[in-house]
Amino acid sequence: AQTVTQSQPEMSVQEAETVTLSCTYDTSESDYYLFWYKQPPSRQMILVIRQEAYKQQNATENRFSVNFQKAAKSFSLKISDSQLGDAAMYFCAYRSLYNYGQNFVFGPGTRLSVLP
Amino acid sequence: GAGVSQSPRYKVAKRGQDVALRCDPISGHVSLFWYQQALGQGPEFLTYFQNEAQLDKSGLPSDRFFAERPEGSVSTLKIQRTQQEDSAVYLCASSSYTGTPSADTQYFGPGTRLTVL
Repeated sequence: AQTVTQSQPEMSVQEAETVTLSCTYDTSESDYYLFWYKQPPSRQMILVIRQEAYKQQNATENRFSVNFQKAAKSFSLKISDSQLGDAAMYFCAYRSLYNYGQNFVFGPGTRLSVLP
Repeated sequence: GAGVSQSPRYKVAKRGQDVALRCDPISGHVSLFWYQQALGQGPEFLTYFQNEAQLDKSGLPSDRFFAERPEGSVSTLKIQRTQQEDSAVYLCASSSYTGTPSADTQYFGPGTRLTVL
């Protein structure tokens, strides 16, 4: 079974600065998808960014980018020019390409605070 | 509607009561998922529907948990004889099945916070 680890329970960043959230995972599969989700206090999970394991190029979405290191099984999220609205819980998630049940495996989350 | 909706947003139950949690997925979405999120934890998979068929229920923690989606749209998660350990946020998500399951983006609802006293 796959596992996802987020070693930083809490992080803080000054507004307009850059922060990196860590994620590692364990799998024996060669093809899969990785995700970062944001969960603000309203509890609605919002997709931030997605990475296909077969793609070597790191995914980017505006101020959000990832550093995907497949051999190291590492998938960190970098938030540039942090904004107050970025404050939330961030979850890293793994999804098997072959999982018929289509379920996600989520990490325990990192709570990000943005300081004005 | 524009997104996934869930009702009620909050539910308080006495231990031993039955509860029913509703999920309205995005119109036309074939796939529907239920997750349980304990306080301070990430969501954990409970069950998955493709249309009205429940294709995976491996995450349901006990036979007190039951989910249905009889017409392939709205889904209900029922918990019988609730226990204190059932207290959690229950999230529903839907996606449009494109033939490549892992590529489908899941859209989450706001969740139902269940508190069992």
